Amino acid sequence: GAVVSQHPSRVICKSGTSVKIECRSLDFQATTMFWYRQFPKQSLMLMATSNEGSKATYEQGVEKDKFLINHASLTLSTLTVTSAHPEDSSFYICSASYVTGTEGQFFGPGTRLTVL
Amino acid sequence: GEDVEQSLFLSVREGDSSVINCTYTDSSSTYLYWYKQEPGAGLQLLTYIFSNMDMKQDQRLTVLLNKKDKHLSLRIADTQTGDSAIYFCAESKSRGYQKVTFGTGTKLQVIP
Repeated sequence: GAVVSQHPSRVICKSGTSVKIECRSLDFQATTMFWYRQFPKQSLMLMATSNEGSKATYEQGVEKDKFLINHASLTLSTLTVTSAHPEDSSFYICSASYVTGTEGQFFGPGTRLTVL
Repeated sequence: GEDVEQSLFLSVREGDSSVINCTYTDSSSTYLYWYKQEPGAGLQLLTYIFSNMDMKQDQRLTVLLNKKDKHLSLRIADTQTGDSAIYFCAESKSRGYQKVTFGTGTKLQVIP
């Protein structure tokens, strides 16, 4: 149980284009989803927290107009990187949790974004 | 703010025990977690411990918590090559749907 999927697993795009990454909780309803960014050999940096039906809460220094987050249902959240640039290349990981869960967050497999 | 620190690298021989250490600064941390990340993959929750516990054992994994010193450790008994990965400790002040702060990660290398 508690499986989280991400799609796509890997994407390469040209500079200036927008990329959408989907995060789905497959067997539970996720009241909260989190989006992280991970640079090579570094820890996870929380970008934003999203609750179903409400606006995402962004961490300090994360541009909300560049990283659009939509949590439209209890099983789906999307992250759109708008007008991507090479410095946006990174490993993006989502996680999901539910209100009664004490086991922390369940993580997706990650999406490798490469912007040329 | 919260700060979670780990040593960057640990190398052990197959069959030996591994001990990965973590220190945190926020005394209000309530939940403490250990996650495993294999190359190119997301994070897998290994185990967690509440701050009112001193120890938790789950098969080959033993978690020790010294709340006074804000020190958390993960011991892996009979370490196998499949245990090679990056291990992150993490803390949160409430249940999993709240913000979790991750440590810097410890890369465990298991030598056959």
